[in-house]
Amino acid sequence: QTVVTQEPSFSVSPGGTVTLTCGLSSGTVSTSYSPSWYQQTPGQAPRTLIYNTNARSSGVPDRFSGSILGNKAALTITGAQADDESDYYCVIYMGSGLWVFGGGTKLTVL
Amino acid sequence: QITLKESGPTLVKPTQTLTLTCTFSGFSLSTSGVSVGWIRQPPGKALEYLALIYWDDDKRYSPSLKSRLTITKDTSRNQVVLTMTNMDPVDTATYYCARSILGMRLWFGNWGQGTLVTVSS
Repeated sequence: QTVVTQEPSFSVSPGGTVTLTCGLSSGTVSTSYSPSWYQQTPGQAPRTLIYNTNARSSGVPDRFSGSILGNKAALTITGAQADDESDYYCVIYMGSGLWVFGGGTKLTVL
Repeated sequence: QITLKESGPTLVKPTQTLTLTCTFSGFSLSTSGVSVGWIRQPPGKALEYLALIYWDDDKRYSPSLKSRLTITKDTSRNQVVLTMTNMDPVDTATYYCARSILGMRLWFGNWGQGTLVTVSS
């Protein structure tokens, strides 16, 4: 069974840059998996940030960017702000109508 | 404006069948490439993909839950229905529906607010 891995937690200073990653328990994440990224604050529904590896969803600030770094998908936040403190989830499309979410990363801005 | 809203019971008993409805607006599920999926999130835990239905009525399920899930659509009423049989306390979660667009590889681009379902006797 495929497991999508994310850092459980990460911290960044206000104004700093942080890169969260999304990998596979076995294998390499490539653009063909069309990874997406979501931001979720407590009690709220997820908000789509990035889709198809690096496409920014409507209304998402350009300080959020997606890419492939090595064998993982990556979400980079440049110039972190206090309201970026959230949980971040990635999802990988495994094909044949199967999507697998990662375990999420809790980002602290301090 | 695209909106989705989940509805259904907030409390179900173990072994019962859960039926959830996703009512949406701002798009049509008869448009080529459009799909609606269900995702759940147990309290304090990660998101989990459940099922998805395409505009052409193709249906996909999470392999681990496939035997318990059925997804259907009513295009005229702009609704997608998910049923889950044999509910267990571990199925306690917030259930979300979300829209995807195949051609853009935009998975779960628009989300409903979610509905919390508790499984308890």
